[in-house]
Amino acid sequence: GEDVEQSLFLSVREGDSSVINCTYTDSSSTYLYWYKQEPGAGLQLLTYIFSNMDMKQDQRLTVLLNKKDKHLSLRIADTQTGDSAIYFCAESPNSGGYQKVTFGTGTKLQVIP
Amino acid sequence: EAQVTQNPRYLITVTGKKLTVTCSQNMNHEYMSWYRQDPGLGLRQIYYSMNVEVTDKGDVPEGYKVSRKEKRNFPLILESPSPNQTSLYFCASSLYRDRGRRTEAFFGQGTRLTVV
Repeated sequence: GEDVEQSLFLSVREGDSSVINCTYTDSSSTYLYWYKQEPGAGLQLLTYIFSNMDMKQDQRLTVLLNKKDKHLSLRIADTQTGDSAIYFCAESPNSGGYQKVTFGTGTKLQVIP
Repeated sequence: EAQVTQNPRYLITVTGKKLTVTCSQNMNHEYMSWYRQDPGLGLRQIYYSMNVEVTDKGDVPEGYKVSRKEKRNFPLILESPSPNQTSLYFCASSLYRDRGRRTEAFFGQGTRLTVV
């Protein structure tokens, strides 16, 4: 079955870049997502990348996809204290018909002022 | 405002006392699902529904029931809760997806359930 893995914890200083990594196993994945969960809240879609792309940039966020190694990363430039949250990697296979999204374990990002 | 609404936000109950967590979405989404979030395990899908009267088991369905009598509502039922069902629960909804069309899952705010 599908499996999505992430490291559980990352700590960075304010102003530095954060890189959150994710590996997945389903080679048929069509879309890969990054969701952000702030304390006491539900998940919100942060960004996504289609499997035929290598990179996607959106303001301070850069998503890199290595399809050969099934590795996805999220880089946050100039990390701020407001970026402290849990970040979930998720993948959705190209199964058509319905959306089955598999989430990783989540990486808790701690930003130190 | 497009949203997924769960109730209650917090619930403490005793073992064996039936409970229902409600979920409602106002986006006319076909697909709805329930997840539980546990430390170190991420989100695990409990049940999902592709449309009215169509439900199926996710990865951890034991001890849970769902129903989908209306498109907007997808309640999660715990007939006889046990302490190992203490968790943070999320409802999510999204569009029914044709091949190649991206959809985004919208999440509720979560229900923190404690079973003592």
